[in-house]
Amino acid sequence: DAGVTQSPTHLIKTRGQQVTLRCSPKSGHDTVSWYQQALGQGPQFIFQYYEEEERQRGNFPDRFSGHQFPNYSSELNVNALLLGDSALYLCASSSGQSYQETQYFGPGTRLLVL
Amino acid sequence: DAKTTQPTSMDCAEGRAANLPCNHSTISGNEYVYWYRQIHSQGPQYIIHGLKNNETNEMASLIITEDRKSSTLILPHATLRDTAVYYCIADFGNEKLTFGTGTRLTIIP
Repeated sequence: DAGVTQSPTHLIKTRGQQVTLRCSPKSGHDTVSWYQQALGQGPQFIFQYYEEEERQRGNFPDRFSGHQFPNYSSELNVNALLLGDSALYLCASSSGQSYQETQYFGPGTRLLVL
Repeated sequence: DAKTTQPTSMDCAEGRAANLPCNHSTISGNEYVYWYRQIHSQGPQYIIHGLKNNETNEMASLIITEDRKSSTLILPHATLRDTAVYYCIADFGNEKLTFGTGTRLTIIP
């Protein structure tokens, strides 16, 4: 059983560009959450998707947007990249059946903005 | 801000039990205590979670105080592969998880 997968593993962009990161949830999961982890910090919640809708959002600007597809996979888009967007981007999946379900994380995508 | 406080770092000898404390004095009645760990540059790995009762699985044991204001994660026989940053989280598991900076556990050979 494949766990949460993310692509690409690494990415280099320049300021002002746009980036799309992808996530496939663990089999049987229908909820995807995205987190940003800056160097030396804990992950910070960006948003969560369930039934193709954004269900919760953290304190991130509108430059960060997402999408969930009917097969539950998800994309994270970041527009107008800033140097400060350099981070490890983590995707986590869970079952949306109840609020007590456990989130399982993927390996992450490391984004470097030059 | 994180809803938990943990020591910044700890050392443990290989083969001994590693006991990682966590304070969550403002935890609400329905919030769970979750533990994850993150080995260098990898995604966080789920370890264990609990509500009120002590829990044990193949990786660790979780001891939660009766007043639920603190907990301890126990790795019974630490190995070098247990060296990681350990995060204690008090949240509803399927909603936004609030991570702090965690405890950097180093297993000493």
